[in-house]
Amino acid sequence: EAQVTQNPRYLITVTGKKLTVTCSQNMNHEYMSWYRQDPGLGLRQIYYSMNVEVTDKGDVPEGYKVSRKEKRNFPLILESPSPNQTSLYFCASRRQGLGQFFGPGTRLTVL
Amino acid sequence: AQKVTQAQTEISVVEKEDVTLDCVYETRDTTYYLFWYKQPPSGELVFLIRRNSFDEQNEISGRYSWNFQKSTSSFNFTITASQVVDSAVYFCALSEIQGAQKLVFGQGTRLTINP
Repeated sequence: EAQVTQNPRYLITVTGKKLTVTCSQNMNHEYMSWYRQDPGLGLRQIYYSMNVEVTDKGDVPEGYKVSRKEKRNFPLILESPSPNQTSLYFCASRRQGLGQFFGPGTRLTVL
Repeated sequence: AQKVTQAQTEISVVEKEDVTLDCVYETRDTTYYLFWYKQPPSGELVFLIRRNSFDEQNEISGRYSWNFQKSTSSFNFTITASQVVDSAVYFCALSEIQGAQKLVFGQGTRLTINP
C-alpha cells in the first residue's frame, strides 16, 4: 500500500530536549516536505527536499533541521524544542507533476 | 507572493442541505495548481482535487463539485445533499507548477453537518 508514515504520532516533551520525528514513504517520490499546522494559520511549510542530499527552507524553518540521506526518509529534527513549536506536524511526498500525499500527522507538545 | 483566503471560518448546516465553501487566491504566476483537502476529526489530510489553472472546466465527483473562475481568482467547493460524514475542516491550497511546488494553504473552513 502506497503511504507516508510518521513516527511518533504523539509526543510530549520538555523544553530543550532534542527530538526527531521520522518520515518515510514507499512510493519512490523525489520530493518530500514538512508542514506544521496551527489553529487559524492553516498549514505552513517548514522544509522541503527535491531529492537526496537536496534540502531547502520553507516559510517557517527556524528551530528545525532536516536531512535527506535516502530517498525514502526525511526526518525532522528539533535540536532544542521550545513551547512555540507545539503543533501538529505533517510530512508529505510527491512525484513530479502529481499531488502531495500526506502522512497521518504527529502531534507534538513541548512543555 | 502567493496567498489563499478562506473567509468562512466555520459553517454549520443541517443534513441534506447544499453548502459552498469559498476560496480566493492571489498569485503572480500565470500557471498554477489549485487543491482542496479534507481533514476529518481523525486528523489526517485527505486529497480531494487538483486543478490546473489552464483548465477552467468545472468538475463534479458524486456529491462534490468545484467551480474554478480565473477571472475572480476563486475556486469554490460545493457539497450537495450534505451528510454528517462530511463534517471536517476543509483546506484550499495553491502551488506553482514548476520548481518546488510548495503548497500555500488557506486557514481552513470548519464544516459541521448536523443531523
